[in-house]
Amino acid sequence: KQEVTQIPAALSVPEGENLVLNCSFTDSAIYNLQWFRQDPGKGLTSLLLIQSSQREQTSGRLNASLDKSSGRSTLYIAASQPGDSATYLCAVKVWNTDKLIFGTGTRLQVFP
Amino acid sequence: DVKVTQSSRYLVKRTGEKVFLECVQDMDHENMFWYRQDPGLGLRLIYFSYDVKMKEKGDIPEGYSVSREKKERFSLILESASTNQTSMYLCASSLSGRSYEQYFGPGTRLTVT
Repeated sequence: KQEVTQIPAALSVPEGENLVLNCSFTDSAIYNLQWFRQDPGKGLTSLLLIQSSQREQTSGRLNASLDKSSGRSTLYIAASQPGDSATYLCAVKVWNTDKLIFGTGTRLQVFP
Repeated sequence: DVKVTQSSRYLVKRTGEKVFLECVQDMDHENMFWYRQDPGLGLRLIYFSYDVKMKEKGDIPEGYSVSREKKERFSLILESASTNQTSMYLCASSLSGRSYEQYFGPGTRLTVT
């Protein structure tokens, strides 16, 4: 059974720091991995989607990498800003289904 | 831009009531999903639908049913609401096919008293 873990559960950093959020999964048979952002009490906003055949994806200050064989993905946030404060979730699409399995998230606070 | 809307942001219902949560997407997506999100448990799939009138159970379907009469609309039904169904409910949609991403609505915070 696929399990997704995110470490750390919470992170508090000063503005301007470069950050790495980690996501690990137990079964490498995935179609893709998606990173989301969730603001308190709100829905999920899709940030990046990495297909299983890809190694990384970039969008602005965000870069996500995927190492399927080791069951790991990282989300790199460059030059963090207070507006980046949110919970970040990763999810893998399980092989042979359309289902996403979610991690429990990393709650990020960036202070001025 | 993909838009997924949910009928209510906040909802308060009494134990035993029948509750309808509505989700509408405007991008002609084949797949639609209902999740619930609870602290410490993350997001869990309740039901999903891959076509009109088609549905599949997710990981936690007990106490819920769904309806998809039109492609753009997917309803989650709590036949007899209970306090343990107090949660954040999130709807999502995607194109059919393994490579496509899911897009989420704003969520409905349901409280059952």
